[in-house]
Amino acid sequence: DAGVIQSPRHEVTEMGQEVTLRCKPISGHNSLFWYRQTMMRGLELLIYFNNNVPIDDSGMPEDRFSAKMPNASFSTLKIQPSEPRDSAVYFCASSFRTGEKAFFGQGTRLTVV
Amino acid sequence: AQSVTQLDSHVSVSEGTPVLLRCNYSSSYSPSLFWYVQHPNKGLQLLLKYTSAATLVKGINGFEAEFKKSETSFHLTKPSAHMSDAAEYFCVINAGNMLTFGGGTRLMVKP
Repeated sequence: DAGVIQSPRHEVTEMGQEVTLRCKPISGHNSLFWYRQTMMRGLELLIYFNNNVPIDDSGMPEDRFSAKMPNASFSTLKIQPSEPRDSAVYFCASSFRTGEKAFFGQGTRLTVV
Repeated sequence: AQSVTQLDSHVSVSEGTPVLLRCNYSSSYSPSLFWYVQHPNKGLQLLLKYTSAATLVKGINGFEAEFKKSETSFHLTKPSAHMSDAAEYFCVINAGNMLTFGGGTRLMVKP
């Protein structure tokens, strides 16, 4: 298996633009997680899905952030409009079940200028 | 409610000396606990996990951690640091179907 695949690896965008981050979890995994890593806050859990259903989105910082999982093999994290303080590395992870070993993607480094 | 506190944001050791990265947790449930490592420009990698079996957990690259319920701790140790161990380490708790991450500890290894 190729592991968790995130795209793009790097994204540079201007403030106010819409940004969409993509994630393909490992086949057969039922849980998917989106994390954000910043110098200030460390690693934060934004949202996680179980069987394509959002279970807890309390970590999503504000309404500009939204996440979807239309099917078991694809998820998106969208920021609209983007702001410079959104600059961070965003990780996606999947696990067979919540609480089981999670496998992480390589992350997307987002820079908003 | 649950929380994880990594007591040191930075730890510096000399190569060949022991490593201790401290983690304390708080949880209303019986937790699962994990240590992840992140090397620069790489994704997170699982080092080890505790899921209510043996309290002393051995992981990859010579790391181990001991779950101490009385102290609510899950400290990560390694007998002898290697230069390649320099990275960011995260302690993570899963309790009640919710993941919580510590703030991370940056380990620096001096030659």
